[in-house]
Amino acid sequence: EAQVTQNPRYLITVTGKKLTVTCSQNMNHEYMSWYRQDPGLGLRQIYYSMNVEVTDKGDVPEGYKVSRKEKRNFPLILESPSPNQTSLYFCASSLLGTGVQPQHFGDGTRLSIL
Amino acid sequence: GIQVEQSPPDLILQEGANSTLRCNFSDSVNNLQWFHQNPWGQLINLFYIPSGTKQNGRLSATTVATERYSLLYISSSQTTDSGVYFCAVTLNGNQFYFGTGTSLTVIP
Repeated sequence: EAQVTQNPRYLITVTGKKLTVTCSQNMNHEYMSWYRQDPGLGLRQIYYSMNVEVTDKGDVPEGYKVSRKEKRNFPLILESPSPNQTSLYFCASSLLGTGVQPQHFGDGTRLSIL
Repeated sequence: GIQVEQSPPDLILQEGANSTLRCNFSDSVNNLQWFHQNPWGQLINLFYIPSGTKQNGRLSATTVATERYSLLYISSSQTTDSGVYFCAVTLNGNQFYFGTGTSLTVIP
């Protein structure tokens, strides 16, 4: 089954404790992206990647890191999480090609940082 | 970045009613997508529609790129249509900008 898998689905942690949210897709998609969703703000793009070793900042990259060492994986790293990073996070992937291909989303990761 | 505004912010419908959701954007874009976020939080791609009109069952969408807006039509609404509808635009195919969504509740 074609899917984007995020782990963990839920996490409660404390300020300053490094964490990684993993994202994996099995569709051989070149493009992957991370978003955060906050009430009243919709989804905002954090980072995206056009292919292996190619990443770039979205609208709200501060406090986050990403890496793309393999095509299927795109982890989101919070080196020193703070309470303002409490949010619902989504990973998405799509093919690249003519125009823009539909994005496929993971089921989301709810992070609470105390 | 591109500003994306959706209206109305909230909508309550009786089952069977029709509705129109609107998405306005501030700049020329090369693509627009509509998504549905169900009550469990899952995001489903509904339409990929840079211009023109597309239909999928009871849902259809129209984008008028020259006038910078898109409309999502829901006909004969069902309770399963409840959730939040987002539009997202991109100028370059890399960076996406989402609206703040329309929250739809369909009452039996």
